[in-house]
Amino acid sequence: QSVLTQPPSVSGAPGQRVTISCTGSSSNIGAGYDVHWYQKFPGTAPKLLIYGNNNRPSGVPDRFSGSKSGTSASLAITGLQADDEAEYYCQSHDSSPSGYWVFGGGTKLTVL
Amino acid sequence: EVQLVESGGGLVQPGGSLRLSCAASGFIFSRYEMNWVRQAPGKGLEWISYISYSGSTTYYADSVKGRFTISRDDAKNSLYLQMDSLRAEDTAVYYCARIDIGVYYLDYWGQGALVTVAS
Repeated sequence: QSVLTQPPSVSGAPGQRVTISCTGSSSNIGAGYDVHWYQKFPGTAPKLLIYGNNNRPSGVPDRFSGSKSGTSASLAITGLQADDEAEYYCQSHDSSPSGYWVFGGGTKLTVL
Repeated sequence: EVQLVESGGGLVQPGGSLRLSCAASGFIFSRYEMNWVRQAPGKGLEWISYISYSGSTTYYADSVKGRFTISRDDAKNSLYLQMDSLRAEDTAVYYCARIDIGVYYLDYWGQGALVTVAS
């Protein structure tokens, strides 16, 4: 059971917009810690996609954007492309001693 | 170019030990905090251990506390994870990841090392 909750799967047609939610609690996202997002393809390392809630590392298309409000965050992907099909993970920090870096369970994005 | 390369994975029996290494290059390793993160088959990412840039502070997830030990050798630009008393549920791909300075996100990851615990 992951500390951050994500939907197991989302889907969309090419060109559409999809969002992936990430729900935390008062000890992580709600405590003011930033949310970060990673993109992961099977058999490869995770890649930083969004950091600090809504910032993109160099090279990440502006089709990807993030937001945060209260104890939740969202990743939005516009102009969906076939090669966006991957798993997406949110991550934040937690004040609990049992888990300082916390991840969501991951969301599998399927491009129809 | 920042590179992180894990090694040392393999098949080990329950109760056995294994030591993972992560060789870093392309940046000043001693200035960065580091994490180990794993992904079990069919599961999501799980943070398991952190080490400060000086090595003086370490944290562990409850699932590995008392069994795993993180360490670093800045002279060798290397990060380590000593895994003892391994269990079947420790089977996973283990990633080393760099923590960007002053923040809590992981900006570079290694390609991963597969650890299989089975008899």
